[in-house]
Amino acid sequence: IQMTQSPSSLSASVGDKVTITCRASERVSTYLNWYQQKPGKAPKLLIYFSDKLDNGVPSRFRGSGSGTDFTLTIMSLQPEDFATYYCQQTYTAPDTFGQGTKLEMK
Amino acid sequence: EVQLLESGGGLALPGGSLRLSCEASGFSFGKVAMAWVRQAPGQGLEYVAGISGSGGSTDYADSVKGRFIISRDNSNTTLFLQMRGLRGDDAATYYCAKRVGGWRHLDCWGQGIKVAVSS
Repeated sequence: IQMTQSPSSLSASVGDKVTITCRASERVSTYLNWYQQKPGKAPKLLIYFSDKLDNGVPSRFRGSGSGTDFTLTIMSLQPEDFATYYCQQTYTAPDTFGQGTKLEMK
Repeated sequence: EVQLLESGGGLALPGGSLRLSCEASGFSFGKVAMAWVRQAPGQGLEYVAGISGSGGSTDYADSVKGRFIISRDNSNTTLFLQMRGLRGDDAATYYCAKRVGGWRHLDCWGQGIKVAVSS
């Protein structure tokens, strides 16, 4: 299953609302996860099963979608949110990741 | 506290072999599926392989199938990745990760270990 994220990069300012989309080449139900990665660090789980926040993840992060189309929305960007975001499908083995969306400060 | 500590990385010759290890602690290792994910320099995340808690079920990315073997030693709470026939495009940081049953997301990751492939 191919995962395609858009955009590949995004410039935004603190306080902005941003949306990242992820499209699967086949239906993955809601087996769609989102990770955040900062330079030189391991990825961190943000959202699993499309819309469930992992423990400790701020409520400004929201996930939605089912089937083939998914979104990650950050409601009000904070300075610590500038990072790269990846979607991942775990509906069919092997897992596949999107190519990533780099969120940069404007 | 869950901890995953990778080791065994380094420089390998093209066509050579390396064995990565991931020592786990802080959870019931033998009951949890695990996975390896890699990231080439400046690139995105790529799933490599996964294994069930018992070790009886494995899956691989097409890019490594037939060359890499994932295994585990539940008595020593350690995950392995045996890599053979290494190629330049296998050079990456390799992460081990703990998988949550059911929804299968990767909720905890190691710090990563670098593998370089060069003559």
